[in-house]
Amino acid sequence: AQRVTQPEKLLSVFKGAPVELKCNYSYSGSPELFWYVQYSRQRLQLLLRHISRESIKGFTADLNKGETSFHLKKPFAQEEDSAMYYCALSIPILTGGGNKLTFGTGTQLKVEL
Amino acid sequence: EAGVTQFPSHSVIEKGQTVTLRCDPISGHDNLYWYRRVMGKEIKFLLHFVKESKQDESGMPNNRFLAERTGGTYSTLKVQPAELEDSGVYFCASSPLGGMVYEQYFGPGTRLTVT
Repeated sequence: AQRVTQPEKLLSVFKGAPVELKCNYSYSGSPELFWYVQYSRQRLQLLLRHISRESIKGFTADLNKGETSFHLKKPFAQEEDSAMYYCALSIPILTGGGNKLTFGTGTQLKVEL
Repeated sequence: EAGVTQFPSHSVIEKGQTVTLRCDPISGHDNLYWYRRVMGKEIKFLLHFVKESKQDESGMPNNRFLAERTGGTYSTLKVQPAELEDSGVYFCASSPLGGMVYEQYFGPGTRLTVT
């Protein structure tokens, strides 16, 4: 069965320090992975997806199939990066299209001054 | 463009009562999903609609939960009778139809507390 693991419940870093939020997955198919973010008092929103290979707000994530990982990285943390981050694996729904997300438990990132 | 909306934002009910949660997806989004996060656990998929048809309800916990999407617009999720373990945050998400993997747009969630 598919599974997403985020080993850290809380990650605290100083402003300007590098950030790495860990995500490992287990899935027998071809993985489609996402990072979602939830800022305080806001809704869950997509941060980035692996197929786009983009950098959003300075964050990047590389899919490593050998290590089954999709870690989120940023070279210099900013105070506004403080939020809850969820790694999610997308599973296609075979009937009718669509995809269901399997989430990790989330990592709370706290950026301190 | 209005985002996904959910009502109510918070509901407190007693064990054994009935509660109905509502989700209004983004206009034109035929895919509609329900998810749930119970305290300390991950966000879990409940079910998926395409228009008014249920496509995957493999995540529904038991038959006390009933989801509908009459007319293919808004959806309701009814819990009857509610149990203590049903407490959590219920999220709705929507996305357009298509063959590729699309971003899901989430609502703010409904926090359900069963006492």
